[in-house]
Amino acid sequence: DADVTQTPRNRITKTGKRIMLECSQTKGHDRMYWYRQDPGLGLRLIYYSFDVKDINKGEISDGYSVSRQAQAKFSLSLESAIPNQTALYFCATSDERQGHYEQYFGPGTRLTVT
Amino acid sequence: AQSVAQPEDQVNVAEGNPLTVKCTYSVSGNPYLFWYVQYPNRGLQFLLKYITGDNLVKGSYGFEAEFNKSQTSFHLKKPSALVSDSALYFCAAANSGYSSASKIIFGSGTRLSIRP
Repeated sequence: DADVTQTPRNRITKTGKRIMLECSQTKGHDRMYWYRQDPGLGLRLIYYSFDVKDINKGEISDGYSVSRQAQAKFSLSLESAIPNQTALYFCATSDERQGHYEQYFGPGTRLTVT
Repeated sequence: AQSVAQPEDQVNVAEGNPLTVKCTYSVSGNPYLFWYVQYPNRGLQFLLKYITGDNLVKGSYGFEAEFNKSQTSFHLKKPSALVSDSALYFCAAANSGYSSASKIIFGSGTRLSIRP
């Protein structure tokens, strides 16, 4: 969905390095999410944010941190990357006003940690 | 614990035949249910949802799904498959509580392959 953008699209980094993945949205949605996708495991929630001042841990938050710089921006950081964080990372947004609960996803960031 | 099961890793169908992708869920309270599709090198795209009302919901690209509360299922269906339907399909569920609705649980995905 072009309304949700992620940078970078691909990244290779070394073990122990700090890395930030960025997400921006032009949909005007209040809620934003970070997921990781691993083959055979579906998507697992890392962090989610209901608004700029409300950030919550998801299912697998260990080793990750986030920052909601503005309603439209939500960044995911790996403070010290490790190889098992190699995965496809997705940002998503939703707007639950008026009963719209579906999420809209960015194109993903493929992260490889060597 | 809440969960979503997609019992088939892969479904193979001939073009023109009907297709079904199965999904069962375990969610406390009333469920919100979703189907998403993922094409190669793309993010997930929303197909359809059940929130309340009619058990048969229609979505994008001719897909539909039926909510069956007694069987806790939400199978995705299409009467006539197209080769372009080949993709990875995810079922997802959430509890209908205000804060819980954001915490969607995804199934592991089913790869749909439509042969010409």
